[in-house]
Amino acid sequence: DTGVSQDPRHKITKRGQNVTFRCDPISEHNRLYWYRQTLGQGPEFLTYFQNEAQLEKSRLLSDRFSAERPKGSFSTLEIQRTEQGDSAMYLCASSNSLDSKVEQYFGPGTRLTVT
Amino acid sequence: KNQVEQSPQSLIILEGKNCTLQCNYTVSPFSNLRWYKQDTGRGPVSLTIMTFSENTKSNGRYTATLDADTKQSSLHITASQLSDSASYICVVRAGGYNKLIFGAGTRLAVHP
Repeated sequence: DTGVSQDPRHKITKRGQNVTFRCDPISEHNRLYWYRQTLGQGPEFLTYFQNEAQLEKSRLLSDRFSAERPKGSFSTLEIQRTEQGDSAMYLCASSNSLDSKVEQYFGPGTRLTVT
Repeated sequence: KNQVEQSPQSLIILEGKNCTLQCNYTVSPFSNLRWYKQDTGRGPVSLTIMTFSENTKSNGRYTATLDADTKQSSLHITASQLSDSASYICVVRAGGYNKLIFGAGTRLAVHP
């Protein structure tokens, strides 16, 4: 499977714990995006990388959230001191900047439940 | 403020019937509009992408239309199948930006 993969698919954690999610983009894609999606809503943009550079962060990305893409390939999203409001689906997408329509391909998501 | 609004919020139809989903947007400058299908618990999958100059685009039983003057788009599903049950999300990319603006989606249920 050469699509976008995310790990884990599901995560249940207690409030106050730290969690880390991983995203592996399509190999030739230089752009990587993180989104958050709550039930009944469309995805909301969190941040995006071009290669290893984090070029934009949403105001939704509080200081408890940090994302990295150290070698311009896979990316991690860490949430520190989780809160119940962090419960959501976290989606990763990737694209190729040479694609004129900049099609984004989404991974299956990581479902986070904070108890 | 850049926004994408979809209607209806949810829809139930019988297998074999047609349906049309609506999308209105206030995004400027407009770059392109996409329709995604999202199965429950999965990531969105692209159905169509349309630029300013494209009025209609088809993908099998899915046909999307775009009226850039009125800033409206529709997704028409023909001869629905049970596997069409999903959320359909309208997404607009603003020119010059790398982030997409998502609608809340229309939840479609196809019943036998």
